[in-house]
Amino acid sequence: SAVISQKPSRDICQRGTSLTIQCQVDSQVTMMFWYRQQPGQSLTLIATANQGSEATYESGFVIDKFPISRPNLTFSTLTVSNMSPEDSSIYLCSSMPGGNEQFFGPGTRLTVL
Amino acid sequence: GENVEQHPSTLSVQEGDSAVIKCTYSDSASNYFPWYKQELGKRPQLIIDIRSNVGEKKDQRIAVTLNKTAKHFSLHITETQPEDSAVYFCAASTAGGGADGLTFGKGTHLIIQP
Repeated sequence: SAVISQKPSRDICQRGTSLTIQCQVDSQVTMMFWYRQQPGQSLTLIATANQGSEATYESGFVIDKFPISRPNLTFSTLTVSNMSPEDSSIYLCSSMPGGNEQFFGPGTRLTVL
Repeated sequence: GENVEQHPSTLSVQEGDSAVIKCTYSDSASNYFPWYKQELGKRPQLIIDIRSNVGEKKDQRIAVTLNKTAKHFSLHITETQPEDSAVYFCAASTAGGGADGLTFGKGTHLIIQP
């Protein structure tokens, strides 16, 4: 199966700052997805990122807070802006490198102090 | 939007016994239903999936059944082993093949007792 990597794997940030998370897929994919997993909870879809178009955000998530870039078919970034402790979560990207099943990156564990 | 309910939240079974986790979904347009296993500190791993044109799918000790009329799907694990201990998530998507974001259930913590 394809490899999906994320950077950083974890970070501790001060409130009010921003963090950009990178996601790299080792093959070209049409769609990439960003999810949030709060401690001990399930996964919630933040947005869908298609190359060449603006990301589509789910209810409760807005572009000003979670801007997303998708500059090419193998890469995407998610920025968590103006962070507060409530943003402490694991952020995961996913994609479908084989065209069918959705696979996840290893996640970025974010702690906001 | 889609809502996925998952039960139970915790399931403890004796090693060698079977485990069943159940999910219901709300959107009749959903047509793709994957199951993920997540071990502590690891990413979710796809273990099996089913599409709406199939009623049952099996892969060794794992099987998934789908009842479209009742909007209900279940994961069955037979001959459970200690390495089956993990959190299991069901999910649903309205785009066949998962070419759409997934809506997840809240997860089931499966504990295999030796």
